[in-house]
Amino acid sequence: GAGVSQSPSNKVTEKGKDVELRCDPISGHTALYWYRQSLGQGLEFLIYFQGNSAPDKSGLPSDRFSAERTGGSVSTLTIQRTQQEDSAVYLCASSLVGGRMDTQYFGPGTRLTVL
Amino acid sequence: QKEVEQNSGPLSVPEGAIASLNCTYSDRGSQSFFWYRQYSGKSPELIMFIYSNGDKEDGRFTAQLNKASQYVSLLIRDSQPSDSATYLCAIIRDDKIIFGKGTRLHILP
Repeated sequence: GAGVSQSPSNKVTEKGKDVELRCDPISGHTALYWYRQSLGQGLEFLIYFQGNSAPDKSGLPSDRFSAERTGGSVSTLTIQRTQQEDSAVYLCASSLVGGRMDTQYFGPGTRLTVL
Repeated sequence: QKEVEQNSGPLSVPEGAIASLNCTYSDRGSQSFFWYRQYSGKSPELIMFIYSNGDKEDGRFTAQLNKASQYVSLLIRDSQPSDSATYLCAIIRDDKIIFGKGTRLHILP
């Protein structure tokens, strides 16, 4: 019954390696969002999944970033060939139905550090 | 012009006073407006949302929306030290939520 969960909570990797970040939304929530927050900055939208619709990938910063959502539930954000500028907190949020009147609930985030 | 603009602060307010946080947005098509609070090292949590012009009150918090002037504000009455956090303004446009960079609020005991 808990909220949105994310794993790992912290990830340290070397430049050039691939990383996978996981998000478990609130049960029953059809919409799932990924954001990135760099130190002292606001939230940068990355990607949005709504039900079975094609995801809105307009926020992905480069083709090194990809995300999938299996079975309408768990989502994985993959960053290939990580760069130091990818270091940030990656936040996942879910909402009941998505769209302009829906409340998003955030997970605790994954802090990614690329050395 | 950024879509959502907030003064980064810090905004220092004495305990017990009213804290006033402001946000302006550029797209007149924006229809939903949210205020999130984010404590240092934590994820954002929703405080208020407002869709219609005017004021919306919830406890010590009041959100004010003026679509003609394209601003939304958050008032916190009887400020408490626990209100010290970063407050993020967000709008929804085309089913996509866009956040401002946030205003750091510091309540002085």
